[in-house]
Amino acid sequence: GDSVTQMEGPVTLSEEAFLTINCTYTATGYPSLFWYVQYPGEGLQLLLKATKADDKGSNKGFEATYRKETTSFHLEKGSVQVSDSAVYFCALSASDRGSTLGRLYFGRGTQLTVWP
Amino acid sequence: NAGVTQTPKFQVLKTGQSMTLQCAQDMNHEYMSWYRQDPGMGLRLIHYSVGAGITDQGEVPNGYNVSRSTTEDFPLRLLSAAPSQTSVYFCASSYSPFTGGQETQYFGPGTRLLVL
Repeated sequence: GDSVTQMEGPVTLSEEAFLTINCTYTATGYPSLFWYVQYPGEGLQLLLKATKADDKGSNKGFEATYRKETTSFHLEKGSVQVSDSAVYFCALSASDRGSTLGRLYFGRGTQLTVWP
Repeated sequence: NAGVTQTPKFQVLKTGQSMTLQCAQDMNHEYMSWYRQDPGMGLRLIHYSVGAGITDQGEVPNGYNVSRSTTEDFPLRLLSAAPSQTSVYFCASSYSPFTGGQETQYFGPGTRLLVL
């Protein structure tokens, strides 16, 4: 079945460090891929998305490229800030007929803490 | 727009009590859903709705009921609360689930439920 596996945390970095959070997926058909971010005490917000192979999603300095050959959608940022401290979720939405309509399959989340 | 709103923010129940978690959206979204978030498990789909009068079960529906009498509202009912239902509950919505999974979903701020 459809699933997402993302890097376990927590991840602790110093400000201006490079960030990578790995995400791989299993899906039939051609899923859309998402990164959501959850700041402390808040709901999930879309960070970026990609809807087809080789698409690159980007937002707020974060990037992720939809790699069908490696079934991956790794999140990267060149220089993290204290304000990036949050939990990051990789997710996919399946498109094939057997999928539950609209369902997002989430990874377990990665806690990122950035120190000044 | 208020987006997706949820009430209450926090609730304590005793085992066997019932309650309704409220969710409303003002974006005229067809699709609404409920997820629960448990530590280390990401988010799991409870129930979803593709329009007023239409609901269906997700991954973990047992112990929960839903109805969708209007486009705006999608309440989640706990019939007889159990400690296993202690969790954070998120409501989400999107324009349509019929676009091959490409739609961005918008999440509410969550309801934190503790069942004693």
